[in-house]
Amino acid sequence: NFMLTQPHSVSESPGKTVTISCTRIIGSIATNYVQWYQQRPGSSPTTVIYEDTQRPSGVPDRFSGSIDSSSNSASLTISGLKTEDEADYYCQSYDSSNVIFGGGTKLTVL
Amino acid sequence: QITLKESGPTLVKPTQTLTVTCTFSGFSLSTSRMGVGWIRQPPGKALEWLALIYWNGDKRYNASLKSRLTITKDTSKNQVVLTMTNVDPVDTATYYCARSSGWSLLFDYWGQGTLVTVSS
Repeated sequence: NFMLTQPHSVSESPGKTVTISCTRIIGSIATNYVQWYQQRPGSSPTTVIYEDTQRPSGVPDRFSGSIDSSSNSASLTISGLKTEDEADYYCQSYDSSNVIFGGGTKLTVL
Repeated sequence: QITLKESGPTLVKPTQTLTVTCTFSGFSLSTSRMGVGWIRQPPGKALEWLALIYWNGDKRYNASLKSRLTITKDTSKNQVVLTMTNVDPVDTATYYCARSSGWSLLFDYWGQGTLVTVSS
């Protein structure tokens, strides 16, 4: 099975930009789509990015996703940080047999 | 409006079998490319995918848990059931069901989750 590795935590100030990485261990990050979920305390996850770069309706354009084959990583970038963005963020991908979630990144906006 | 809701016991004893049910509305599991999956989250820990069942009956399981899991669907009742045998305290978690549509394995709608505690 492959793995998805995320930083445990990141922090940034309101109004700034933060990028959360998701590195695929075994296999190419570009082979299968990557999704990103936001999970606030006590709530179920919601999608902020799907299919690498797509943003669901209702998600602000401050959220963007990208793929970098050279580092075999996906990234979630949040610009113009707001206190409401403080949450856990999970990347997720798959192969022919498995669905894998990253370990999650706690974003603190302070 | 698409909704999913998990139900099941809140407390299960070690070695017993856990059965959780996902009851959904607003879509049909007989529609092409539709699926329903189970994901769990131990308190304070990360999400872990468990199983997925597709509209055509195809099933996928987390390889590390496959021997203990069974996922089934009842299309007429709009329900998906996950069974986990021989539970252990490490299986204590919030169990979520979620819809997957299309080929990108995106879980686009999630239930509220149900907390299951494994303890004697």
